[in-house]
Amino acid sequence: QQKVQQSPESLTVSEGAMASLNCTFSDGTSNNFRWYRQHSAKGLEVLVSIFSDGEKEEGRFTAHLNRANLHVSLHIREPQPSDSAVYLCAVRTGGNNKLTFGQGTVLSVIP
Amino acid sequence: GPKVLQIPSHQIIDMGQMVTLNCDPVSNHLYFYWYKQILGQQMEFLVNFYNGKVMEKSKLFKDQFSVERPDGSYFTLKIQPTALEDSAVYFCASSLGAGDTQYFGPGTRLLVL
Repeated sequence: QQKVQQSPESLTVSEGAMASLNCTFSDGTSNNFRWYRQHSAKGLEVLVSIFSDGEKEEGRFTAHLNRANLHVSLHIREPQPSDSAVYLCAVRTGGNNKLTFGQGTVLSVIP
Repeated sequence: GPKVLQIPSHQIIDMGQMVTLNCDPVSNHLYFYWYKQILGQQMEFLVNFYNGKVMEKSKLFKDQFSVERPDGSYFTLKIQPTALEDSAVYFCASSLGAGDTQYFGPGTRLLVL
C-alpha cells in the first residue's frame, strides 16, 4: 500500500528566502506527482504536476522528482506572506487517478 | 482556475440519520472523486466515478456509502445510516480525463453526533 510522507511538518521562512518542502513515497511504480496547497477553509489549489525525473517549473514553484530515491520536492522562490498555507504532496499510482496524499507541511512566511 | 463547489459547507446530524453531500464539479469534467479527511489525519481516497459507474473504491467506502450523478446534476455522496466515525471533512474533486489534474472543492465538514 502506498505511503506518502512529507517533511518538515512545519516550516517558517522569511519573505524572499527559498522554501523547500520534501515528500517521499513507497511505491516505485507511481507515475504522477502533484503539489497542492490549501488555505484555510478553501479548496486545494494545484501548484505543479510532474511525471518524469527532473525538474518542472510553474512560476515561482519548482518540483524535483527523483524516482530512484522515491523522492519529490517543492521549492518556492521568493515566498510571500500570502504563500502561507498547508502544502500537500499527492502521488498517483495505477490508472484510476487515485491520489495518495501526505499529511501536509504547514508553511509560514513572515514579512 | 476551475472551480468545484460543495454544498453544504457544514452539516451536523444525529447518528443513524441519512446525509447527502453535494458536489458541483467543473462543467466539462467527466471523472469525479470523493476524499475523506479526519481531523489531524491525511486526506484519503474514497471513490472515483465515471460514466455513471464506480471505477474504484477504497476500504473506507463502506456499504453505507453510495454515489451518483443523476442527469448531469450534482455528484452526490450519500451516507445511510451515518456513524460517529463518519465525522470528517469530505472533499469532492473532478478531472477532465482519467489521468488529468483533479480540481478540488473546499470540503463539507460533517459532524455526526
